Amino acid sequence: KAGVTQTPRYLIKTRGQQVTLSCSPISGHRSVSWYQQTPGQGLQFLFEYFSETQRNKGNFPGRFSGRQFSNSRSEMNVSTLELGDSALYLCASGPGLDNEQFFGPGTRLTVL
Amino acid sequence: AQSVTQLDSQVPVFEEAPVELRCNYSSSVSVYLFWYVQYPNQGLQLLLKYLSGSTLVESINGFEAEFNKSQTSFHLRKPSVHISDTAEYFCAVKSNTGKLIFGQGTTLQVKP
Repeated sequence: KAGVTQTPRYLIKTRGQQVTLSCSPISGHRSVSWYQQTPGQGLQFLFEYFSETQRNKGNFPGRFSGRQFSNSRSEMNVSTLELGDSALYLCASGPGLDNEQFFGPGTRLTVL
Repeated sequence: AQSVTQLDSQVPVFEEAPVELRCNYSSSVSVYLFWYVQYPNQGLQLLLKYLSGSTLVESINGFEAEFNKSQTSFHLRKPSVHISDTAEYFCAVKSNTGKLIFGQGTTLQVKP
């Protein structure tokens, strides 16, 4: 099976812009989670989707949003970008809510 | 709130020496425990997991971890490390709330 894929791999934006990141889970996986990784804060949970429903949400402002489609693919959106949003955004998929998660390579977002 | 503490931010060790990366978690409920490894410029790879059953779990590349409920620990060990084991290692806990909570990571530096 193909692994979790994320597009784009690298992205450069300026403050105030918005960005959409995409994640395709492993075939058959219905759970998709998003994480933000920064040197200062480490890995932080953003949200988790299962069968198109958001099941969990981390402590991020409303500028961060996401959705999941019927084919389990997921997107996350960040509006009104700030410098502090520069990070590696990781997507992970799993067969269900209580199983291990398999991570994609991430999208490196740089906000100038 | 659940938390994960990785006691060492960096662990330098010589090749073929044994290593232990420490992980403690706080949770009053049953948890699932994971170790992930991240190589430079890559996403996270699942190294091993404890879901239930035997408290000693092993990976295919010689790492093992033991779940100790009384000490709320899940330390990662390898009897003889290789240069290729140089990477960042993350301990994570997932409870019945569904969120995957990561520790701050431990950088394993294997020296020749």
